[in-house]
Amino acid sequence: EVALVESGGGLVQPGRSLRLSCAASGFTFDDYAMHWVRQAPGRGLEWVSGLSWNSGRIGYADSVKGRFAISRDNARNSLYLQMDSLRIEDTALYYCVKDMDQLPLFLDSWGQGTLVAVSS
Amino acid sequence: EIVMTQSPATLSVSPGERATLSCRASQSVNTNLAWYQQKPGQAPRLLIYAAFTRATGIPARFSGSGSGTEFTLTISSLQSEDFAIYYCQQYHDWPPLTFGGGTKVEI
Repeated sequence: EVALVESGGGLVQPGRSLRLSCAASGFTFDDYAMHWVRQAPGRGLEWVSGLSWNSGRIGYADSVKGRFAISRDNARNSLYLQMDSLRIEDTALYYCVKDMDQLPLFLDSWGQGTLVAVSS
Repeated sequence: EIVMTQSPATLSVSPGERATLSCRASQSVNTNLAWYQQKPGQAPRLLIYAAFTRATGIPARFSGSGSGTEFTLTISSLQSEDFAIYYCQQYHDWPPLTFGGGTKVEI
């Protein structure tokens, strides 16, 4: 069974950094693209970033481009999101999500999320 | 960026009734369209991909249709566990992947 467990969230001041991690199990991690999707309190879903199985294709939402960096370690079955220059509007529940394909397409398994709160 | 628009924002239906949810893309996405269900306090779940293919374990009462810019998710006979928020998402043009704003199906 697919399991995605996020960690690294917390309360942080504007302008500071956080690094989210996602531990994956139950599937062949390096066969699939992976993503981060966030959901602000009471709001809809916003795709943040994704990368292909071999990190050859990486993409970001405009709202985080230049501030966030996604990466993966296939040897450790892990996905990461380095978040710099955090803003209040980055406050959200961040989901680690498995794609159904090697290239970014759609999102077939979701973690339970890790909460990031940006506040002074 | 392809903008996805869902309607209505809220749909009030009774158990056993049929629910029809709409999703419109700002440009053609062919059939590169997925639907997700999210219940309160839970992560989203994939329902439909490629516009009309049900994901593993999804009941047959859920069906998707459409292509190009107009898509529909139909729930043929609403069960109590179907009351949730539904999102569409295009994957025709990436980055970014884009979601609609969601339709809340309520009693």
